[in-house]
Amino acid sequence: GAGVSQTPSNKVTEKGKYVELRCDPISGHTALYWYRQSLGQGPEFLIYFQGTGAADDSGLPNDRFFAVRPEGSVSTLKIQRTERGDSAVYLCASSLGSGNLDNEQFFGPGTRLTVL
Amino acid sequence: SQKIEQNSEALNIQEGKTATLTCNYTNYSPAYLQWYRQDPGRGPVFLLLIRENEKEKRKERLKVTFDTTLKQSLFHITASQPADSATYLCAHDSSYKLIFGSGTRLLVRP
Repeated sequence: GAGVSQTPSNKVTEKGKYVELRCDPISGHTALYWYRQSLGQGPEFLIYFQGTGAADDSGLPNDRFFAVRPEGSVSTLKIQRTERGDSAVYLCASSLGSGNLDNEQFFGPGTRLTVL
Repeated sequence: SQKIEQNSEALNIQEGKTATLTCNYTNYSPAYLQWYRQDPGRGPVFLLLIRENEKEKRKERLKVTFDTTLKQSLFHITASQPADSATYLCAHDSSYKLIFGSGTRLLVRP
């Protein structure tokens, strides 16, 4: 596809359940980022992949959050034992090159996660 | 800790006027600042990047300035149009990630 795609667009789950959020970056983009955005706030960094490896996961809030990118393309963000505070829009972005910050990041439309 | 701040109050202006949005940063000297536009229900869209050694950058009706002494970037939209109504986010680099401000909502009245 032409841009970054994310599925599902909306996810409603119950407290304590496990969820997976998927990101398809732009073909050829080696850098992939996950962010979380709460209402009225800017995106908050979670994790950055360069190829298959997580180069920086310092933004993951706790060990319930985990992300993978096994083949260096599609990435999955996994949240275990969801809590109501996890409710937010989860954004994925990709960029060319080695993650230099002078490369613009292309964002997907996000997955709106609601934990009841 | 690194902080980047934008005016949380919405900016409401008349069509045709120049909109000026402010981004301030503290406790850090970023090499770049980026500006993004975000519409409701969508991801941010990149607009402009300005480097620390550039004082000003332009793209069509957009202009960004970077004042490293004031630790501030200004984002201008000239001849504003209702279609410019959106939230505008600034972000600075920190290692390999972007730190975003909370965004300023711009409303351009016809």
